[in-house]
Amino acid sequence: GAGVSQSPSNKVTEKGKDVELRCDPISGHTALYWYRQSLGQGLEFLIYFQGNSAPDKSGLPSDRFSAERTGGSVSTLTIQRTQQEDSAVYLCASSLVVDTQYFGPGTRLTVL
Amino acid sequence: QKEVEQNSGPLSVPEGAIASLNCTYSDRGSQSFFWYRQYSGKSPELIMFIYSNGDKEDGRFTAQLNKASQYVSLLIRDSQPSDSATYLCAVVVTGGGNKLTFGTGTQLKVEL
Repeated sequence: GAGVSQSPSNKVTEKGKDVELRCDPISGHTALYWYRQSLGQGLEFLIYFQGNSAPDKSGLPSDRFSAERTGGSVSTLTIQRTQQEDSAVYLCASSLVVDTQYFGPGTRLTVL
Repeated sequence: QKEVEQNSGPLSVPEGAIASLNCTYSDRGSQSFFWYRQYSGKSPELIMFIYSNGDKEDGRFTAQLNKASQYVSLLIRDSQPSDSATYLCAVVVTGGGNKLTFGTGTQLKVEL
């Protein structure tokens, strides 16, 4: 595709529910990154994939957060038992050349 | 000390003027530096990257890197109202893998 795509664009859920966020990177990009941006906060790194493996998961805030990537393409970020503090914009980025990252439009998650 | 620091602004400049945005970083070993523009409610858009000391020009934008002083700046010439946005400085820090560490951004307002 022309750019990174993410779905859904908006997600409203109730506290305690599980959510899945999807990212489809730019075609051919081998690296994929998840970040989140909370109101008034900077961009916070969550996890990085190179191909299907995740050499850096250091930013995942708790074991309620997990992510996978299949076929070296689409990635899913799963948040279990959502909490209100999980409310944020979740951004996915991909890169071909190491570290030059292009962002998708994001998923705005609201936990009620 | 934050790894990447930016003045939050807002920085107000008149239309047609030069806007100067600054960023300092703490990790002396950092090698890759990026400027992203983020409009309100949108995702970050890559506008410049720089790896070597000195200046790099692209259209109305010039990135400047001084590794000895650990700062990177972005100059926007002939500022336009459409340049009004938050500008995020991002750095790949030593030992951080490929993840970007972001500053909190500087809000730029270009006034008519």
